[in-house]
Amino acid sequence: GAGVSQSPSNKVTEKGKDVELRCDPISGHTALYWYRQSLGQGLEFLIYFQGNSAPDKSGLPSDRFSAERTGGSVSTLTIQRTQQEDSAVYLCASSPRDWYNEQFFGPGTRLTVL
Amino acid sequence: SQQGEEDPQALSIQEGENATMNCSYKTSINNLQWYRQNSGRGLVHLILIRSNEREKHSGRLRVTLDTSKKSSSLLITASRAADTASYFCATTWVYGGATNKLIFGTGTLLAVQP
Repeated sequence: GAGVSQSPSNKVTEKGKDVELRCDPISGHTALYWYRQSLGQGLEFLIYFQGNSAPDKSGLPSDRFSAERTGGSVSTLTIQRTQQEDSAVYLCASSPRDWYNEQFFGPGTRLTVL
Repeated sequence: SQQGEEDPQALSIQEGENATMNCSYKTSINNLQWYRQNSGRGLVHLILIRSNEREKHSGRLRVTLDTSKKSSSLLITASRAADTASYFCATTWVYGGATNKLIFGTGTLLAVQP
């Protein structure tokens, strides 16, 4: 079946602009995660959605970052007023249910802020 | 930072040799997983070991876990050129209200020379 998909695969933007990154999880997966991978910080957790529960936003680095998940499926990560330090690969992952151990990752979106 | 550390940072071996990567982590865990990443994009789950297990095998992979030392090792036997990738350990801790987010190590870049 189809895996996790993310769009766009690459995004180049200018400092100060807003960007939206999209994640389509595997159908039926209730848990969805966003991670960020950068040279300086490695792989770090950003935000987690599980069903109708309040999301765990503890990893978001600033209030310029927000995410939503509509209808328990597609998720959008929004970065407002982008900064050069936001340049990274943004990875989305899903899993069948909460506490399911393995996470299934998408190919990522490479964001470059000029 | 909660992030774990892996060593070596980079490893170059010949095809047919064994590759060993080590991971140290900082917090209590309920399981430890290893993921593989090709070309800086999506991660693929390799193997999971629970906190009450000491060793696990899957094909050419062997994982050990020492919770007293907060460390794990991944052994890839009879390596192939196709094993060339980055390898990350990741831990989860789901008690005390924590969510099932992955805390990643810094990664080991493995190059297998044909």
